[in-house]
Amino acid sequence: RKEVEQDPGPFNVPEGATVAFNCTYSNSASQSFFWYRQDCRKEPKLLMSVYSSGNEDGRFTAQLNRASQYISLLIRDSKLSDSATYLCVVIKGGADGLTFGKGTHLIIQP
Amino acid sequence: DARVTQTPRHKVTEMGQEVTMRCQPILGHNTVFWYRQTMMQGLELLAYFRNRAPLDDSGMPKDRFSAEMPDATLATLKIQPSEPRDSAVYFCASGFGTAYEQYFGPGTRLTVT
Repeated sequence: RKEVEQDPGPFNVPEGATVAFNCTYSNSASQSFFWYRQDCRKEPKLLMSVYSSGNEDGRFTAQLNRASQYISLLIRDSKLSDSATYLCVVIKGGADGLTFGKGTHLIIQP
Repeated sequence: DARVTQTPRHKVTEMGQEVTMRCQPILGHNTVFWYRQTMMQGLELLAYFRNRAPLDDSGMPKDRFSAEMPDATLATLKIQPSEPRDSAVYFCASGFGTAYEQYFGPGTRLTVT
């Protein structure tokens, strides 16, 4: 089982819709979780951290479920500019390097 | 607007040649990471440094890859000899402290023919 798994998509979603995708992780010792965004042929950029209590940043909501070992990202009122690959990222306890999922490709259609 | 810089942005070389990639972390950041991204494997951590000391290079093929930080403003990743399977985008990232937030450079797109 891969350390971090994501549905690669693509998710084709009409503009204005709500979209959600999950990411599962295999190491129960994982301590920190993030969503990064990567545009085509660009570098990854931090979108948001994921806290145990869940957190929201504008149209984006991230949730963590430790019992089932998954994190989720919900995007409300999607915009064309949300089209990108969303990378699930995990840090294991005691480590610094990020372990990335392969990403979920999101396409927002007009 | 502080950014991580990487050079070269693109590199095409023949198998067997040496390749050196350079990274300038954001001023004040003390942790530097090297990642490699391919379609097949996604993003993989190769190595990282804190305060210029190597902390983990377990993700790096030791026989041909080497990573160094000659000073706080420069990190290098060298491949010698290069092979076609090394073709990928190599990202450098920097952060401060535990580096939970990492800032990525634009990457070096390497093609080995």
